[in-house]
Amino acid sequence: AQKITQTQPGMFVQEKEAVTLDCTYDTSDQSYGLFWYKQPSSGEMIFLIYQGSYDEQNATEGRYSLNFQKARKSANLVISASQLGDSAMYFCAMRDKGSSNTGKLIFGQGTTLQVKP
Amino acid sequence: EPEVTQTPSHQVTQMGQEVILRCVPISNHLYFYWYRQILGQKVEFLVSFYNNEISEKSEIFDDQFSVERPDGSNFTLKIRSTKLEDSAMYFCASSQILAFFGQGTRLTVV
Repeated sequence: AQKITQTQPGMFVQEKEAVTLDCTYDTSDQSYGLFWYKQPSSGEMIFLIYQGSYDEQNATEGRYSLNFQKARKSANLVISASQLGDSAMYFCAMRDKGSSNTGKLIFGQGTTLQVKP
Repeated sequence: EPEVTQTPSHQVTQMGQEVILRCVPISNHLYFYWYRQILGQKVEFLVSFYNNEISEKSEIFDDQFSVERPDGSNFTLKIRSTKLEDSAMYFCASSQILAFFGQGTRLTVV
C-alpha cells in the first residue's frame, strides 16, 4: 500500500541557515509524483515544489529544493537561508496510481518547523 | 496567478444541521478533490471528482456527504446532518499535474 512517512514531528533551525525535512515513501508504481506543501498557522495549504518520478534532475523552486533519491525512496525538502516566515507545518504528499487513477494525494504526518531569530 | 477559492473561511453549525462548503477550482483543471484535516492531524482524502462524477471516495465519505458541480465552475461539498466529529478544516483542491489547494473552510460543529 502507498505510504508517506515524515519522521520528524518538529524541527528547529536558526534564521539564515539551511534545513532538511525528511520524507520517505512507499509505492509499487513506477510513475508517481511527490509534493511538498507548507501550512502556516493561518491554515491554508501552500504548494511549494513537485518532483515526478521520471524527472532526472532534482526539483528546485527558489529557496526550496527537493533531494530526490529514488532508490532509497526518499524526497527530502531542503530550505536554504531560512526566514522567520518559514515557520510552519510542512507536509510531504505522494500521488500514484495505486488502486485507481484519480490522482488523489496521500499525505505524511507533517513536520513543524520553527525558525529561530 | 490562478487559485482555488473556498467559501466560507469559517462556519459554525449546530449538530444535525446541513452545511454546504463551496469551492471554485482553477478554471482549466479537470480533477477536483475534497480533503479533510482534523485539528493537529494529517490531511485525509475524502473524494475525487472527474468528468462530472465521483471517481473515488474514501471510507470517511459516507452517505451523509455529497458533492456537486452544479454550474461548471463551483464545486460543493454537502454534509447532510453534521456530527461533532465532522469538525475539521476542509480543503478543496484541483489539479492537472500540479495540485493546488484552497485556503480551507474551518467547520466547527457544536
